[in-house]
Amino acid sequence: AQKITQTQPGMFVQEKEAVTLDCTYDTSDQSYGLFWYKQPSSGEMIFLIYQGSYDEQNATEGRYSLNFQKARKSANLVISASQLGDSAMYFCAMKDRGSTLGRLYFGRGTQLTVWP
Amino acid sequence: NAGVTQTPKFRILKIGQSMTLQCTQDMNHNYMYWYRQDPGMGLKLIYYSVGAGITDKGEVPNGYNVSRSTTEDFPLRLELAAPSQTSVYFCASSPPSYGYTFGSGTRLTVV
Repeated sequence: AQKITQTQPGMFVQEKEAVTLDCTYDTSDQSYGLFWYKQPSSGEMIFLIYQGSYDEQNATEGRYSLNFQKARKSANLVISASQLGDSAMYFCAMKDRGSTLGRLYFGRGTQLTVWP
Repeated sequence: NAGVTQTPKFRILKIGQSMTLQCTQDMNHNYMYWYRQDPGMGLKLIYYSVGAGITDKGEVPNGYNVSRSTTEDFPLRLELAAPSQTSVYFCASSPPSYGYTFGSGTRLTVV
């Protein structure tokens, strides 16, 4: 079974608008961590934000926030005030106690395009 | 801070050739990983290591080998390259309870 599902292959947003990238996950563990990475066209993987399963508040990092809904097993990334430089592939990932020694499971990614 | 350094950045191999992708980290992380990224498929784990001298297979290990003689280095060996190994390869390292630091990737084409 797929551990991480990203249902949006592509998303478009106008500059300065907010956008939500969806991510659902599958785990039976109570203790797990959720991550978002950005991959621009240059190819590197950039860590954006982390949410622990026991964290009571949604994680925020600058313009990035994670909308964590534990009962629904969703961990959507919200980017506020989109910028042209936000155009990239975005990956959701999870690490749980079933993860073999720290392994991250990745979704297939969402390609975000920001237009002026 | 160098973080995770991968070399080379690009390589073209002929079918049947072999090569080693180098990966070095300077963060003293015990855990290291090799992933491959195919278009539209996310990242798939090839091999991982939890410390010097300890390695194990991930989801897609066939056609690859690894070694971990030091904490810093985790090279990935491709033997008898095949077109199916055309991909982007990422090395990553992490402490046990947090996310990865990735290398910049190696774009490999097998022709």
